[in-house]
Amino acid sequence: DTAVSQTPKYLVTQMGNDKSIKCEQNLGHDTMYWYKQDSKKFLKIMFSYNNKELIINETVPNRFSPKSPDKAHLNLHINSLELGDSAVYFCASSRKGPIETQYFGPGTRLLVL
Amino acid sequence: GQQVMQIPQYQHVQEGEDFTTYCNSSTTLSNIQWYKQRPGGHPVFLIQLVKSGEVKKQKRLTFQFGEAKKNSSLHITATQTTDVGTYFCAGICVNTGTASKLTFGTGTRLQVTL
Repeated sequence: DTAVSQTPKYLVTQMGNDKSIKCEQNLGHDTMYWYKQDSKKFLKIMFSYNNKELIINETVPNRFSPKSPDKAHLNLHINSLELGDSAVYFCASSRKGPIETQYFGPGTRLLVL
Repeated sequence: GQQVMQIPQYQHVQEGEDFTTYCNSSTTLSNIQWYKQRPGGHPVFLIQLVKSGEVKKQKRLTFQFGEAKKNSSLHITATQTTDVGTYFCAGICVNTGTASKLTFGTGTRLQVTL
């Protein structure tokens, strides 16, 4: 049983399109995260939610809008995609907060053409 | 803002050689975590260190947290091809006055050849 799952695994799209990535965790964790990993492998936090409440919003353009319908799900919607949005997006979760082990999903590889 | 740098960026070793990656934070950390990411994979948690000067071992891997809690190291003895991947340290800054977040280091990519 996959602990943290993301869909889709790959996403190839044109500039200007809108797309969504979904994330689900079955670990019963309270906190979920979105990270962006660029081509140089730098891993940077974008958002953090605790029990459906937004905790961290790391100076991400407002074209990115996270949504947590319940504590097991954290989705990411991206409007008006730009070339620079091409990256791997990882969802992660932890039991209570960032001081605990984070479990990462398999990643969504986004390519904007 | 908090910065966490790792050196080297990349290391290529022969199987059986030792490997060390160093992690340095611009601010004091409350803890340090280490993750490994295999090529094409996702980061996987290895260990967490919390106390100043702490040393922990996992088989051939030795992790250290500096006395000032601003640096850490990961040492692998006698590398194997299964050690290939990118190793990230990640830490939480002490008392920023804002919500805690894990800041990842820049990563060290390890290549091991026979």
